[in-house]
Amino acid sequence: KQEVTQIPAALSVPEGENLVLNCSFTDSAIYNLQWFRQDPGKGLTSLLLIQSSQREQTSGRLNASLDKSSGRSTLYIAASQPGDSATYLCAVPNSGYALNFGKGTSLLVTP
Amino acid sequence: EAQVTQNPRYLITVTGKKLTVTCSQNMNHEYMSWYRQDPGLGLRQIYYSMNVEVTDKGDVPEGYKVSRKEKRNFPLILESPSPNQTSLYFCASSLWGTSDNQPQHFGDGTRLSIL
Repeated sequence: KQEVTQIPAALSVPEGENLVLNCSFTDSAIYNLQWFRQDPGKGLTSLLLIQSSQREQTSGRLNASLDKSSGRSTLYIAASQPGDSATYLCAVPNSGYALNFGKGTSLLVTP
Repeated sequence: EAQVTQNPRYLITVTGKKLTVTCSQNMNHEYMSWYRQDPGLGLRQIYYSMNVEVTDKGDVPEGYKVSRKEKRNFPLILESPSPNQTSLYFCASSLWGTSDNQPQHFGDGTRLSIL
């Protein structure tokens, strides 16, 4: 069964820092990997989707990379801002029709 | 605006009183799904639907029902709610499924408390 792990579980950084969030998965036979953002009291917002044939995707200050062979993905956030404070989740499709989610990294960016 | 809409957003009710959480999407997506999110357990799929009149169980379907009579709507039904169904529920949709390289769109969530 596909298992997804995110490290660290929580992270606090001062504004302006560049940071990396990690995601690992046990079964490398994935179609894609998706990064989401979850704000308190809100739903999940899709940030980036990396297809299995891709190595990375970029959107603004966000860059996600994928290394299928090692079962890892990273989400790089450049020049962090207090508005980036949220929980970040990664997810991969399982063998059925669901997404397997990690438990998330709770990020706090302090002014 | 493309969106997935859930109602209600918050509900406190009592054991055994049937309830329905509605979910509607305006993107003409074929695939819709329900998840619950619990502390320490993360997000787990309850049911999904690949098309109208086609539904199937996810990882935690016990105590829930769904229906897909129209493409845009996918209600979650709790016939006899129990306290262990207290959770945060999310509806999601995408064009074809989880492996079609299209992003999943989520609703804002329904916080359900069963007393």
